[in-house]
Amino acid sequence: QKEVEQNSGPLSVPEGAIASLNCTYSDRGSQSFFWYRQYSGKSPELIMSIYSNGDKEDGRFTAQLNKASQYVSLLIRDSQPSDSATYLCAVNRDDKIIFGKGTRLHILP
Amino acid sequence: ETGVTQTPRHLVMGMTNKKSLKCEQHLGHNAMYWYKQSAKKPLELMFVYSLEERVENNSVPSRFSPECPNSSHLFLHLHTLQPEDSALYLCASCPGVGYEQYFGPGTRLTVT
Repeated sequence: QKEVEQNSGPLSVPEGAIASLNCTYSDRGSQSFFWYRQYSGKSPELIMSIYSNGDKEDGRFTAQLNKASQYVSLLIRDSQPSDSATYLCAVNRDDKIIFGKGTRLHILP
Repeated sequence: ETGVTQTPRHLVMGMTNKKSLKCEQHLGHNAMYWYKQSAKKPLELMFVYSLEERVENNSVPSRFSPECPNSSHLFLHLHTLQPEDSALYLCASCPGVGYEQYFGPGTRLTVT
């Protein structure tokens, strides 16, 4: 079982809709969770970090964590064409950050 | 700008050349990382330094040699590379191992 799993996509979402990105992880001892956005040819950019169960909101972004289900998600409200990118989920296990392979998101104008 | 800089941004080198990549962080962080990202592949962790000590070496070939002279600077020395080493090389720093990482812009390396 892969340690951090993401659907590779592409995920196509109409402009203005909610984009939902999902990530599952294998180690129940994982302590902190991160979402990064990476535009083509650029480096990853930190969007959100979440440490406890529940929702965390920052502008149009909401991260959701469910440790019992070993599941973390990122919601993007009012999706814009500029949100088109690859979104990387990262999980901290024993001070080691494990990255998923990323989900490509395409916002349709 | 994330406070992490990398030079050069682009590098073309032959298989017999020796070159070095440089990373500098201005964030007061204690940990620094080298990653390799090949086309359409996930991030591959290469090396981790915490307080200037190497804490992780992810089975990287010896033609890649890291150096961390202080907590703000990280180098990756390259020699006798292969064409398959062509990739985007990313440096990242974080307050401590396991915390959120901040990436530099990367060095696009092409080995001819």
